[in-house]
Amino acid sequence: QSALTQPPSASGSPGQSVTISCTGTSSDVGGYNYVSWYQQHPGKAPKLMIYEVSKRPSGVPDRFSGSKSGNTASLTVSGLQAEDEGNYYCSSYAGSNYVFGTGTEVTVV
Amino acid sequence: QVQLQESGPGLVKPSDTLSLTCTVSNGSISSSPYYWGWIRQPPGKGLEWIGSIYYSGNTYYSPSLKNRVTMSVDTYNNQFFLHLTSVTAADTAFYYCVVDEDGYNHFDPWGQGTPVTVSS
Repeated sequence: QSALTQPPSASGSPGQSVTISCTGTSSDVGGYNYVSWYQQHPGKAPKLMIYEVSKRPSGVPDRFSGSKSGNTASLTVSGLQAEDEGNYYCSSYAGSNYVFGTGTEVTVV
Repeated sequence: QVQLQESGPGLVKPSDTLSLTCTVSNGSISSSPYYWGWIRQPPGKGLEWIGSIYYSGNTYYSPSLKNRVTMSVDTYNNQFFLHLTSVTAADTAFYYCVVDEDGYNHFDPWGQGTPVTVSS
C-alpha cells in the first residue's frame, strides 16, 4: 500500500486560508469515509484535527475543516494563525490497514 | 480522557527484537469500541501505522510489517505490547501508542512517543 500523496509544503499570511490535498486511490480515500488529519509540532506527538472526512473533535477550532471528492481529501485552515504552523498528515482506513499521507509543512509567512 | 505512556529500551541491536509497552491510564483497556495501536515515525520522516489490537486479542497488522510484528494485551495491568523481530537500522524511529477508534477510524489520543535506535 503506497502512502497518500500530499504537497510537501503550503503557506499563507495570517488571516488567509490554506488548503492541503491528500490523494489516494479507490482502495483507501475513495473507498471509505474514514479520512483523518493530524497536526504535528516539532518534537511533539501528532494531534487529531479532523476525523471521518469532516468532523472536528471537541477543542479543535472551527477554522479547520475537511472535505473529500473522489480519491482526494482536503484540509482547509481558514484565518491562519501563527500557532497553525507545523506538519500536517492525512490518514485513511484501507480495509484492515491504515495509510498515512506524505505530510505537508505549513508555514505562516 | 484516556492517557497513554510508552516505555522500553531506547537502544536495540540489529537482528534483535524490539519490545515496547504502552500503559493505559484514566480508562480501561477493555473499553469498547477502542482498539489499541502502534504508529512509528523515523527521524525527519512521516508516520507509519504498525498495527492495532482489541482487548480480546484480535489483531491486524501493516502488510509491510506483519511478518515481524506481534502485539499482545494485558487487561489486568491495563497494558499492551509491541514486539518487532529482526530489527535493522530502518526500524529506528519514534514509536507512539495510540487509541484506534473503532479499529477503522482515527487515532486519538496519542502517547508522547518513545525513541528507539537500532545500532550495534
